[in-house]
Amino acid sequence: DAKTTQPNSMESNEEEPVHLPCNHSTISGTDYIHWYRQLPSQGPEYVIHGLTSNVNNRMASLAIAEDRKSSTLILHRATLRDAAVYYCILPGYGGATNKLIFGTGTLLAVQP
Amino acid sequence: GAVVSQHPSRVICKSGTSVKIECRSLDFQATTMFWYRQFPKQSLMLMATSNEGSKATYEQGVEKDKFLINHASLTLSTLTVTSAHPEDSSFYICSARHRDNSPLHFGNGTRLTVT
Repeated sequence: DAKTTQPNSMESNEEEPVHLPCNHSTISGTDYIHWYRQLPSQGPEYVIHGLTSNVNNRMASLAIAEDRKSSTLILHRATLRDAAVYYCILPGYGGATNKLIFGTGTLLAVQP
Repeated sequence: GAVVSQHPSRVICKSGTSVKIECRSLDFQATTMFWYRQFPKQSLMLMATSNEGSKATYEQGVEKDKFLINHASLTLSTLTVTSAHPEDSSFYICSARHRDNSPLHFGNGTRLTVT
């Protein structure tokens, strides 16, 4: 799997936007960019994924750089429930057997 | 949406005993499931890939005789921690996809404490 680099931690204030960066300079042409988050004492939760174009869903937006060497997860209005570890992962391409290798992620703290 | 259920959520066992953890895909069939382990304040570590109807594929450094994986049906994979020791105390998490290249869905994890 291609390697990703994320800041260890970030802080945000409640109801403000949060931009979580991820660098993946060795990304290949077929690598999707996946984001997951893990709340305390829970299993990870899928957030969003994309290939080339920016993506939006009810949870977040994913902005992908034109050269695909970096991406940014955007939480438009952070809430206290968004405090979690956010993982940026490139699982590669291989069908159902594609495994996810987790890095250290970014610990997001949200202040009231 | 696709749901993965894990049971039990917490288990305490004595050293030397074995513990079985179940992972079920509730509304889809999963030919492949993944088992992870997570120690406090660390990231998830992939232990093995569970393959329906065949042997599991273990990651380097994971003892296959200690962590027995059985994927007997398209909706159930089990992880058995055999002869558990206190150092096996950890958070065990399973996951599965409901179709090729779709995102993984994770169970809520099993907190194992070995006394």
